[in-house]
Amino acid sequence: DVKVTQSSRYLVKRTGEKVFLECVQDMDHENMFWYRQDPGLGLRLIYFSYDVKMKEKGDIPEGYSVSREKKERFSLILESASTNQTSMYLCASSLHRGSHQPQHFGDGTRLSIL
Amino acid sequence: GQNIDQPTEMTATEGAIVQINCTYQTSGFNGLFWYQQHAGEAPTFLSYNVLDGLEEKGRFSSFLSRSKGYSYLLLKELQMKDSASYLCAVREQYGGSQGNLIFGKGTKLSVKP
Repeated sequence: DVKVTQSSRYLVKRTGEKVFLECVQDMDHENMFWYRQDPGLGLRLIYFSYDVKMKEKGDIPEGYSVSREKKERFSLILESASTNQTSMYLCASSLHRGSHQPQHFGDGTRLSIL
Repeated sequence: GQNIDQPTEMTATEGAIVQINCTYQTSGFNGLFWYQQHAGEAPTFLSYNVLDGLEEKGRFSSFLSRSKGYSYLLLKELQMKDSASYLCAVREQYGGSQGNLIFGKGTKLSVKP
């Protein structure tokens, strides 16, 4: 079974802090994704990566950056956290570009910015 | 533009059948996924359709009509544990936008005794 592990289930940070959310997958997947999920808005794509050291902006990249130094790890960085970044953050991975294989999700990190 | 529509909420009775509809308008199409998400948990994959027709997997079936931009998820013999949100997601055309998924806002299904 595919395992996508996010470093924290719950996280509380303060406005202005730099926040790191970590995600690791164990199935040698090429693709990795970061989403946020908010009530009434559904899942929205922040950033994605199709290969090591590769990153591309999704639909809502403002205020975020990412890092993919190793194939199995994809980090989301909030450069200077703000209260409107309070959300559920979900990491996902999938086999390779264009594949019919589904995305597999981690358990999510519920982030609160005070 | 890109748009995926599904009902916000539905209620059904234990043991019954429920159909959750999804309509989509996207720039290209390369498959449709259904996910189940229990409250506070990760979405889990249920089904995938890329050709027209019905895909059956146990109590769950998914149907696709590409010409109508329409899909539905059919849940039979409903159980209390089926209470969850159901997410419809369309894969964009590979090559045009790398085949990312566009998600609907989800349908919250409540199963009552």
